[in-house]
Amino acid sequence: QVQLQESGPGLVKPSETLSLNCTVSGGSMSSSYWSWLRQPAGKGLEWIGRIYSSGTTNYNPSLRSRVTMSIDTSKNQFHLKFSSVTAADTAVYYCAREFKAWWFDHWGQGTLVSVSS
Amino acid sequence: DIVMTQSPDSLAVSLGERATINCKSSQSVLYSSNNKNYFAWYQQRPGQPPKLLISWASTRESGVPDRFSGSGSGTDFTLSISTLQAEDVAVYFCQQYYRSPHTFGQGTKLEIK
Repeated sequence: QVQLQESGPGLVKPSETLSLNCTVSGGSMSSSYWSWLRQPAGKGLEWIGRIYSSGTTNYNPSLRSRVTMSIDTSKNQFHLKFSSVTAADTAVYYCAREFKAWWFDHWGQGTLVSVSS
Repeated sequence: DIVMTQSPDSLAVSLGERATINCKSSQSVLYSSNNKNYFAWYQQRPGQPPKLLISWASTRESGVPDRFSGSGSGTDFTLSISTLQAEDVAVYFCQQYYRSPHTFGQGTKLEIK
């Protein structure tokens, strides 16, 4: 059973870059899509972007200018960098496997990232 | 972007009764070449990540109880829970995967009356 676990700082200062890692266990990262999503407290889900095992990326156009994703299949990890954060970026950030770029069938537990000085 | 709008925002149903949640997309998510609706439902229990319940609008995931069913096509979809159990208390989300960026509904909070 594929398992995912997010890691990274829980507090980021405004205008700085948020960096998160997702470690995948229980399965191969090959030939799969890996996504980041976020959920502000009490609100809905927003897809940030995906990265294929080959390194090809697709980002949400509304966030594209601030997002960079990378992958290291040798370490079973993929990464998110999100620049120039503001308080509006405070949310629980999830990593997930996106089946065939369709639905999200495996999720991490999520990590709360707060943006505050 | 395709906008997904759920109704109601919250719902209280008695144990053993039926719960119905609706989701409407701003444009059709039915792909005519294969007659499939690119649409999914998720359940999010408190403090947990979302869990995929249904894909292709009506196909239950393995292990999902058969009291959960999905229906609808095009722009209008429904999630039904036939006999509500205590463990069904959660927020339910719809999602379209017809067009990128994939988008979600705002969520429907289901509680016990």
